[in-house]
Amino acid sequence: GQNIDQPTEMTATEGAIVQINCTYQTSGFNGLFWYQQHAGEAPTFLSYNVLDGLEEKGRFSSFLSRSKGYSYLLLKELQMKDSASYLCAVHNFNKFYFGSGTKLNVKP
Amino acid sequence: DTAVSQTPKYLVTQMGNDKSIKCEQNLGHDTMYWYKQDSKKFLKIMFSYNNKELIINETVPNRFSPKSPDKAHLNLHINSLELGDSAVYFCASSLPTGVGATNEKLFFGSGTQLSVL
Repeated sequence: GQNIDQPTEMTATEGAIVQINCTYQTSGFNGLFWYQQHAGEAPTFLSYNVLDGLEEKGRFSSFLSRSKGYSYLLLKELQMKDSASYLCAVHNFNKFYFGSGTKLNVKP
Repeated sequence: DTAVSQTPKYLVTQMGNDKSIKCEQNLGHDTMYWYKQDSKKFLKIMFSYNNKELIINETVPNRFSPKSPDKAHLNLHINSLELGDSAVYFCASSLPTGVGATNEKLFFGSGTQLSVL
């Protein structure tokens, strides 16, 4: 089966740095994606890793270790608008398997 | 605007009814999907079509029948609605270009919140 785990909820302060972890156990692996989903809206693509290491995109970075089945999303200089759910998804043979998402609350 | 658009945004209906959700994408993508997001926020794939052909059917009850008249459209028809069908249904599309390609990212429609009473 496919198993993707993320913390349910996190709280952080505006201007701070937060790391959202994701661990996965899947029968195959073509890449790991992170999506952001604001309440009542559609998920939108944030970042993508297929090789081990860190991918940086502005305030957002994502890390992957395939041997450990582990990824994290790092958000720097948090803004209030970053309050949302962050979904980790493993891409495997035309399918995306999603975690349940981590709800991030950014407080002033 | 280039996008994935689905209608309706909200659907409230009685148990036992039949309803449809429509989806269209003008991104030129080859592959379209239906995902279901339950109250615990899990996004689960239901169906995937590539160029009008069904490629993924994830053990979904046969009350759910997708139809793809062309590669830009993927509709979802649901017969005999049940309480457990209440969820948000997302249509999505992608442009698969091979294993490990970032272009395989999903573009989602805005979702259809289905409430079965």
